[in-house]
Amino acid sequence: QKEVEQNSGPLSVPEGAIASLNCTYSDRGSQSFFWYRQYSGKSPELIMSIYSNGDKEDGRFTAQLNKASQYVSLLIRDSQPSDSATYLCAVYANAGKSTFGDGTTLTVKP
Amino acid sequence: SAVISQKPSRDICQRGTSLTIQCQVDSQVTMMFWYRQQPGQSLTLIATANQGSEATYESGFVIDKFPISRPNLTFSTLTVSNMSPEDSSIYLCSVVWGRANTEAFFGQGTRLTVV
Repeated sequence: QKEVEQNSGPLSVPEGAIASLNCTYSDRGSQSFFWYRQYSGKSPELIMSIYSNGDKEDGRFTAQLNKASQYVSLLIRDSQPSDSATYLCAVYANAGKSTFGDGTTLTVKP
Repeated sequence: SAVISQKPSRDICQRGTSLTIQCQVDSQVTMMFWYRQQPGQSLTLIATANQGSEATYESGFVIDKFPISRPNLTFSTLTVSNMSPEDSSIYLCSVVWGRANTEAFFGQGTRLTVV
C-alpha cells in the first residue's frame, strides 16, 4: 500500500461544475496535509494546507480532512478551464519532509 | 513564502557527463531539499541539504551519483553525475516555510534530458 494514494484520474468536469479530488494516507499519526497544483511544465504550487478535522475554505477551494478515516479531499467549486492541472496531495512526515501522492490530472472543459 | 531561483531551467546532456543545478533562496533557511519528478510521476525526495553538514540521502539515492553542496543558508547545488537516459527527469529544489516549517515551496525546476 502506498503511503499517499489519490484518485487515479484523469478527471474531467464541465466548466462551472464541482471537481472532487480525493486522497487517503496510511500513517494514522499524520497531522499536516497539503494540496499542490502543478500546471504542465511547471513546478508544484501550494494551494491549501489543512491541519484539523473538518472543512477549510479558501475562495473556490475547500479542503476536507477526516483523520479517523485517514482521508483528505479537495473540492473546487465553479471549476474554470484555468483549474486544469495535476493536483498533488501531500502528507507531512518529519524533518521538513512530505510524502506526495501520484497526483490526479483535472481537465475542465469549456 | 521564500522566493526560490533555480538554474538552469532545462538542459540536454550527453550520457556520461555531469550537470550541476543551482538553487538560490532569498531568505536564510535551515533545510533545503532536492526532489526528482520523472515523466508522468510524482515527486521523490533525493536528499536533504543542511548547511555545515553532509546531505542526508533517501533510500535509493547515493552521494556518488547525486553530490550536494550547501555552502551557506541561502544556496545549494545538486550534481547529477555520470548521467544516463534514466536520469532524464525534472529536478526540483524546495524549502519549507509556514506553520512549523511544514509547507513546501519549490523552485522552477530543471528539466534534464540525457541523450
